[in-house]
Amino acid sequence: QSALTQPPSASGSPGQSVTISCTGTSSDVGTYNSVSWYQQHPGKAPKLMIYDVSKRPSGVPDRFSGSKSGNTASLTVSGLQAEDEADYYCSSYAGSNNLVFGGGTKMTVL
Amino acid sequence: QLQLQESGPGLVKPSETLSLTCTVSGGSISSANYYWSWIRRPAGKGLEWIGTIYYSGSSYYSPSLKGRVTISLDTSKNQFSLRLNSVTATDTAAYYCGGRSFYFMDVWGKGTTVTVSS
Repeated sequence: QSALTQPPSASGSPGQSVTISCTGTSSDVGTYNSVSWYQQHPGKAPKLMIYDVSKRPSGVPDRFSGSKSGNTASLTVSGLQAEDEADYYCSSYAGSNNLVFGGGTKMTVL
Repeated sequence: QLQLQESGPGLVKPSETLSLTCTVSGGSISSANYYWSWIRRPAGKGLEWIGTIYYSGSSYYSPSLKGRVTISLDTSKNQFSLRLNSVTATDTAAYYCGGRSFYFMDVWGKGTTVTVSS
Protein backbone atom coordinates (compact mmCIF):
# COMPACT_ATOMS: atom_id res chain seq x y z
CA GLN A 1 0.00 0.00 0.00
CA SER A 2 1.43 3.36 -1.13
CA ALA A 3 1.88 6.18 1.33
CA LEU A 4 0.34 8.77 -1.00
CA THR A 5 -2.98 8.15 -2.72
CA GLN A 6 -3.42 8.80 -6.43
CA PRO A 7 -6.30 7.85 -8.72
CA PRO A 8 -5.29 4.80 -10.77
CA SER A 9 -6.30 6.43 -14.03
CA ALA A 10 -7.03 9.76 -15.68
CA SER A 11 -7.90 10.64 -19.23
CA GLY A 12 -8.62 13.51 -21.57
CA SER A 13 -8.85 14.43 -25.22
CA PRO A 14 -6.09 16.32 -27.01
CA GLY A 15 -6.16 19.98 -26.06
CA GLN A 16 -8.06 19.41 -22.82
CA SER A 17 -6.78 19.92 -19.30
CA VAL A 18 -6.45 17.04 -16.85
CA THR A 19 -5.66 17.23 -13.14
CA ILE A 20 -4.20 14.36 -11.09
CA SER A 21 -4.50 14.45 -7.31
CA CYS A 22 -2.07 13.17 -4.73
CA THR A 23 -3.45 12.85 -1.22
CA GLY A 24 -1.21 12.46 1.79
CA THR A 25 -1.45 13.43 5.41
CA SER A 26 -0.40 16.21 7.73
CA SER A 27 2.85 14.28 8.19
CA ASP A 28 3.95 14.63 4.60
CA VAL A 29 2.15 16.65 1.90
CA GLY A 30 0.35 18.81 4.44
CA THR A 31 3.52 19.92 6.20
CA TYR A 32 6.31 19.99 3.63
CA ASN A 33 6.57 21.92 0.36
CA SER A 34 8.71 19.12 -1.06
CA VAL A 35 6.20 17.53 -3.42
CA SER A 36 7.50 16.32 -6.76
CA TRP A 37 5.89 14.81 -9.82
CA TYR A 38 7.41 12.32 -12.26
CA GLN A 39 6.36 11.13 -15.70
CA GLN A 40 7.26 7.61 -16.77
CA HIS A 41 6.75 6.15 -20.21
CA PRO A 42 6.78 2.34 -20.62
CA GLY A 43 10.27 0.92 -20.38
CA LYS A 44 11.79 4.31 -19.61
CA ALA A 45 13.20 5.95 -16.51
CA PRO A 46 11.05 8.43 -14.60
CA LYS A 47 11.39 12.08 -15.60
CA LEU A 48 11.07 14.93 -13.12
CA MET A 49 8.23 17.24 -14.16
CA ILE A 50 7.59 19.32 -11.02
CA TYR A 51 9.53 19.85 -7.79
CA ASP A 52 8.94 21.86 -4.65
CA VAL A 53 5.16 21.71 -5.32
CA SER A 54 5.10 24.00 -8.35
CA LYS A 55 8.57 24.51 -9.83
CA ARG A 56 9.33 23.27 -13.32
CA PRO A 57 12.79 21.99 -14.26
CA SER A 58 14.35 23.48 -17.34
CA GLY A 59 12.94 21.90 -20.49
CA VAL A 60 9.58 20.87 -19.03
CA PRO A 61 6.73 22.53 -20.97
CA ASP A 62 4.71 25.12 -19.09
CA ARG A 63 1.64 23.00 -19.88
CA PHE A 64 2.60 21.13 -16.71
CA SER A 65 1.83 22.85 -13.42
CA GLY A 66 1.67 21.83 -9.79
CA SER A 67 -0.16 23.06 -6.73
CA LYS A 68 -1.02 22.06 -3.19
CA SER A 69 -3.92 22.60 -0.83
CA GLY A 70 -3.86 21.09 2.61
CA ASN A 71 -2.90 17.43 2.42
CA THR A 72 -3.52 17.18 -1.33
CA ALA A 73 -1.15 18.08 -4.14
CA SER A 74 -2.19 18.28 -7.77
CA LEU A 75 -0.58 18.06 -11.18
CA THR A 76 -2.40 19.74 -14.04
CA VAL A 77 -1.59 19.04 -17.67
CA SER A 78 -3.06 21.68 -19.96
CA GLY A 79 -3.36 21.40 -23.72
CA LEU A 80 -3.07 17.63 -23.51
CA GLN A 81 -0.90 16.05 -26.18
CA ALA A 82 -0.47 12.46 -27.34
CA GLU A 83 3.03 12.28 -25.85
CA ASP A 84 1.61 13.07 -22.41
CA GLU A 85 0.20 9.53 -22.25
CA ALA A 86 2.29 7.96 -19.48
CA ASP A 87 2.28 7.02 -15.82
CA TYR A 88 2.57 9.88 -13.34
CA TYR A 89 3.86 9.61 -9.78
CA CYS A 90 3.89 12.08 -6.94
CA SER A 91 6.35 12.03 -4.08
CA SER A 92 6.67 13.95 -0.86
CA TYR A 93 9.12 14.36 1.96
CA ALA A 94 7.62 12.71 5.02
CA GLY A 95 9.96 13.96 7.71
CA SER A 96 12.63 12.00 9.57
CA ASN A 97 14.67 11.58 6.39
CA ASN A 98 11.91 9.64 4.69
CA LEU A 99 10.58 10.03 1.15
CA VAL A 100 7.27 8.55 0.01
CA PHE A 101 5.72 7.99 -3.40
CA GLY A 102 2.18 7.68 -4.65
CA GLY A 103 0.84 4.56 -6.32
CA GLY A 104 0.84 6.19 -9.74
CA THR A 105 -1.78 7.38 -12.21
CA LYS A 106 -2.05 6.09 -15.76
CA MET A 107 -2.84 9.01 -18.05
CA THR A 108 -4.64 8.14 -21.27
CA VAL A 109 -5.01 10.59 -24.14
CA LEU A 110 -8.26 9.69 -25.85
CA GLN B 1 25.99 16.41 -18.56
CA LEU B 2 25.55 14.09 -15.62
CA GLN B 3 24.71 10.50 -16.54
CA LEU B 4 23.95 7.46 -14.40
CA GLN B 5 24.13 3.78 -15.30
CA GLU B 6 23.00 0.83 -13.19
CA SER B 7 24.76 -2.52 -13.34
CA GLY B 8 24.49 -5.85 -11.57
CA PRO B 9 23.02 -9.35 -11.77
CA GLY B 10 19.57 -9.67 -13.28
CA LEU B 11 18.77 -12.80 -11.31
CA VAL B 12 19.17 -13.34 -7.57
CA LYS B 13 18.17 -16.39 -5.54
CA PRO B 14 15.76 -16.08 -2.60
CA SER B 15 17.46 -15.38 0.74
CA GLU B 16 20.59 -14.11 -1.01
CA THR B 17 21.87 -10.54 -1.38
CA LEU B 18 20.99 -8.23 -4.23
CA SER B 19 23.91 -6.01 -5.20
CA LEU B 20 23.70 -3.17 -7.72
CA THR B 21 26.10 -0.42 -8.70
CA CYS B 22 25.39 2.99 -10.18
CA THR B 23 28.23 4.54 -12.18
CA VAL B 24 28.22 8.32 -12.36
CA SER B 25 29.75 10.09 -15.36
CA GLY B 26 29.95 13.76 -16.26
CA GLY B 27 30.32 14.81 -12.65
CA SER B 28 31.81 13.87 -9.31
CA ILE B 29 30.03 11.69 -6.81
CA SER B 30 31.85 13.70 -4.17
CA SER B 31 30.02 16.89 -5.10
CA ALA B 32 28.20 18.55 -2.23
CA ASN B 33 25.50 19.51 -4.72
CA TYR B 34 24.12 16.01 -5.01
CA TYR B 35 22.33 13.35 -3.07
CA TRP B 36 22.34 9.87 -4.64
CA SER B 37 19.30 7.61 -4.43
CA TRP B 38 17.94 4.17 -5.26
CA ILE B 39 14.31 3.73 -6.27
CA ARG B 40 12.50 0.62 -7.49
CA ARG B 41 9.31 -0.22 -9.30
CA PRO B 42 7.90 -3.72 -8.86
CA ALA B 43 6.00 -4.99 -11.90
CA GLY B 44 2.46 -3.64 -11.91
CA LYS B 45 3.13 -1.42 -8.92
CA GLY B 46 4.30 2.11 -8.20
CA LEU B 47 7.66 3.64 -7.45
CA GLU B 48 9.22 2.96 -4.06
CA TRP B 49 12.03 4.92 -2.47
CA ILE B 50 14.76 2.61 -1.18
CA GLY B 51 17.30 5.04 0.22
CA THR B 52 19.64 7.96 -0.33
CA ILE B 53 23.27 8.77 0.40
CA TYR B 54 25.09 12.08 0.57
CA TYR B 55 28.68 12.74 -0.53
CA SER B 56 29.67 12.78 3.13
CA GLY B 57 28.57 9.17 3.45
CA SER B 58 25.46 9.89 5.48
CA SER B 59 22.77 7.46 4.40
CA TYR B 60 19.01 7.31 4.82
CA TYR B 61 16.74 4.34 4.26
CA SER B 62 13.09 3.54 3.80
CA PRO B 63 11.62 2.37 7.11
CA SER B 64 10.08 -0.61 5.32
CA LEU B 65 13.50 -1.81 4.16
CA LYS B 66 15.66 -0.66 7.03
CA GLY B 67 17.76 -3.49 8.39
CA ARG B 68 18.06 -5.16 5.00
CA VAL B 69 19.48 -2.32 2.91
CA THR B 70 22.86 -0.64 2.71
CA ILE B 71 23.88 2.13 0.32
CA SER B 72 27.54 3.05 0.02
CA LEU B 73 29.89 5.28 -1.98
CA ASP B 74 33.05 4.35 -3.87
CA THR B 75 34.64 7.70 -4.66
CA SER B 76 37.64 6.08 -6.38
CA LYS B 77 35.33 4.63 -9.01
CA ASN B 78 32.73 7.43 -8.95
CA GLN B 79 30.07 4.88 -8.06
CA PHE B 80 27.47 4.25 -5.41
CA SER B 81 26.03 0.87 -4.57
CA LEU B 82 22.97 -0.86 -3.19
CA ARG B 83 22.95 -4.05 -1.16
CA LEU B 84 19.65 -5.64 -0.18
CA ASN B 85 19.85 -8.70 2.05
CA SER B 86 17.55 -11.68 2.43
CA VAL B 87 15.64 -11.04 -0.76
CA THR B 88 12.29 -12.61 -1.59
CA ALA B 89 10.09 -12.58 -4.67
CA THR B 90 8.61 -9.28 -3.51
CA ASP B 91 11.98 -7.64 -4.19
CA THR B 92 11.62 -8.41 -7.91
CA ALA B 93 11.52 -5.02 -9.58
CA ALA B 94 13.11 -2.54 -11.93
CA TYR B 95 15.78 -0.73 -9.93
CA TYR B 96 16.79 2.84 -10.72
CA CYS B 97 19.53 5.07 -9.43
CA GLY B 98 18.93 8.80 -9.33
CA GLY B 99 20.60 11.99 -8.25
CA ARG B 100 20.16 15.64 -7.26
CA SER B 101 18.34 16.49 -4.01
CA PHE B 102 17.11 14.40 -1.11
CA TYR B 103 13.60 15.55 -2.06
CA PHE B 104 13.66 14.92 -5.81
CA MET B 105 15.77 13.38 -8.55
CA ASP B 106 16.29 15.03 -11.90
CA VAL B 107 18.96 12.68 -13.20
CA TRP B 108 18.12 8.99 -13.57
CA GLY B 109 19.75 5.86 -14.83
CA LYS B 110 17.90 3.80 -17.42
CA GLY B 111 17.10 1.16 -14.82
CA THR B 112 17.90 -2.51 -14.45
CA THR B 113 15.50 -5.37 -13.86
CA VAL B 114 16.22 -7.76 -11.01
CA THR B 115 14.29 -11.00 -10.65
CA VAL B 116 14.36 -12.99 -7.42
CA SER B 117 13.90 -16.65 -8.25
CA SER B 118 15.52 -19.99 -7.60
